[in-house]
Amino acid sequence: QKEVEQNSGPLSVPEGAIASLNCTYSDRGSQSFFWYRQYSGKSPELIMFIYSNGDKEDGRFTAQLNKASQYVSLLIRDSQPSDSATYLCAVTRDSNYQLIWGAGTKLIIKP
Amino acid sequence: KAGVTQTPRYLIKTRGQQVTLSCSPISGHRSVSWYQQTPGQGLQFLFEYFSETQRNKGNFPGRFSGRQFSNSRSEMNVSTLELGDSALYLCASSYRDRAEQYFGPGTRLTVT
Repeated sequence: QKEVEQNSGPLSVPEGAIASLNCTYSDRGSQSFFWYRQYSGKSPELIMFIYSNGDKEDGRFTAQLNKASQYVSLLIRDSQPSDSATYLCAVTRDSNYQLIWGAGTKLIIKP
Repeated sequence: KAGVTQTPRYLIKTRGQQVTLSCSPISGHRSVSWYQQTPGQGLQFLFEYFSETQRNKGNFPGRFSGRQFSNSRSEMNVSTLELGDSALYLCASSYRDRAEQYFGPGTRLTVT
């Protein structure tokens, strides 16, 4: 079992709809959770981080954390073609604070 | 505040050569992590430095090494380059444990 798992996609969503990206992790002691966006040929860009159970909203983005079920999700409202990218989930390992990365979900927003 | 910078941005080397990549973290950040990314492979963790000490290391051969200086700038070195070392090498910095990492633009290494 991978420490951080994401569906590789591609996930195709119509423009204007809500895109929902999911990530599960195996380390119950993990305390920090991050979502990064990576455009093709570019470096990852931090878009959200969350530390507590519940929802955290920032503009069109909402991160949701459920520690009991060990999953974190990212919702993108009013999806735009510019949101088309690979989204990476990262979780800190409790034992040494190292960031553990998922393989990423490719998101395609169709005009 | 200036972001993470990496030099050089592009590099072409021949098999058997060695290469040194440089990373300057965001001012005030003491942790620097290095990653290798190849198409379809995702981010592969190389190592992390904090206050000049290697704190974590990924599963890469000893040809890959790094160091961090007192000003938090970091270098990584790859000796005896192989074709499979062709990749985007990314550096990321953070200001404390469990904190978010910020990436530099990367160095694209091509080994011929």
